[in-house]
Amino acid sequence: DGGITQSPKYLFRKEGQNVTLSCEQNLNHDAMYWYRQDPGQGLRLIYYSQIVNDFQKGDIAEGYSVSREKKESFPLTVTSAQKNPTAFYLCASSPTGAPTNEKLFFGSGTQLSVL
Amino acid sequence: DQQVKQNSPSLSVQEGRISILNCDYTNSMFDYFLWYKKYPAEGPTFLISISSIKDKNEDGRFTVFLNKSAKHLSLHIVPSQPGDSAVYFCAALGGGTSYGKLTFGQGTILTVHP
Repeated sequence: DGGITQSPKYLFRKEGQNVTLSCEQNLNHDAMYWYRQDPGQGLRLIYYSQIVNDFQKGDIAEGYSVSREKKESFPLTVTSAQKNPTAFYLCASSPTGAPTNEKLFFGSGTQLSVL
Repeated sequence: DQQVKQNSPSLSVQEGRISILNCDYTNSMFDYFLWYKKYPAEGPTFLISISSIKDKNEDGRFTVFLNKSAKHLSLHIVPSQPGDSAVYFCAALGGGTSYGKLTFGQGTILTVHP
């Protein structure tokens, strides 16, 4: 089945540690996104990529890094510079090419907690 | 600056009745609006959308209304079912943002009681 796979489902980070969240899609979508969800807040965009080898900062990129070496993969690294990393992280993808190809397809998320 | 706001954190409705979820926006450049539904520990799934050139879009039990002059949209679910219990996010596209970059509201938790 086509879809987006995020792993792991739960992740714990120690102080000063970098951790990487995986996101893989087999939908052949060009665009991929990382969102963060905190209780009582909407989904906030961290980074997005519209094409391989290119990505842009979203609204809350500080303390995060990404890469887009393959169309199928868009891993997110939460660095030690991110002082409040505890949140639910969602990866999404969408096709591009038409103005209303805005319907995002989401993965099932990764809950990151700080030890 | 929250450009898309869902001012009701939660809504409780009896099964079979109508659920009305509201969303307000401030950016008049937004030209496409979407509703997503999210169950706990899962990613959101697309529910219904509406273009700014329309004022209503219907899909089965779900209808979205758009009032551009008031910068307000609402999602109506009729009749509500217990399986509709979830968090509902409204989202907007456009407003000079980059392609495909949606702006989300805070979400409303809908509980439908049997």
